[in-house]
Amino acid sequence: QSVLTQPPSVSGAPGQRVTISCTGSSSNIGAGYDVHWYQQLPGTAPKLLIYGNSNRPSGVPDRFSGSKSGTSASLAITGLQAEDEADYYCQSYDSSLSGPNYVFGTGTKVTVL
Amino acid sequence: EVQLVESGGGLVQPGGSLRLSCAASGFTVSSNYMSWVRQAPGKGLEWVSVIYSGGSTYYADSVKGRFTISRHNSKNTLYLQMNSLRAEDTAVYYCARDNRSFYDAFDIWGQGTMVTVSS
Repeated sequence: QSVLTQPPSVSGAPGQRVTISCTGSSSNIGAGYDVHWYQQLPGTAPKLLIYGNSNRPSGVPDRFSGSKSGTSASLAITGLQAEDEADYYCQSYDSSLSGPNYVFGTGTKVTVL
Repeated sequence: EVQLVESGGGLVQPGGSLRLSCAASGFTVSSNYMSWVRQAPGKGLEWVSVIYSGGSTYYADSVKGRFTISRHNSKNTLYLQMNSLRAEDTAVYYCARDNRSFYDAFDIWGQGTMVTVSS
């Protein structure tokens, strides 16, 4: 089961700003591990959107931005466009005695009204 | 072009085995951390396993003892050997590159291969 909690859905009209939260705990985000965000369009593989909490890979529009504070992180989409309708996942790392443990959020479906 | 292409998925009976392959181009598998991530139908993403550039391997508790990650350096290919398969292993399996320069984000993903475990 996912250890990072996201709202199941968010929606907004074209041009609006929406935010997606990603809530973790002291063993993952709160432990200082970086948060990454992925966009998954219907029927396709995930695509890296934000890495290292707030960095955009080349080619990702600056409408997408990320932030992190305490045990949570957020993804903001400004100037919402129809093509942004997709599922979004946060991802971090959880400390474990048995080795690395990459953890994903529960996922958020963004609907453009 | 940097890309990953998975193959090997299919229908298998409970208790059966399957080996997935992930062929890389444009970069060297053995020089990177490489992971398998799966997504059950209609569900979210779940990390499965990672192999480090040094060869160390790690698994999610849900597959530990049943799955084995490996790579073939000369073929520049990543593998996932899946044994003792269960219905709950049904998912699309993606291979992904863990980019150390991107704070260990998964920057390259394959298109995925579907594994269905059913009698």
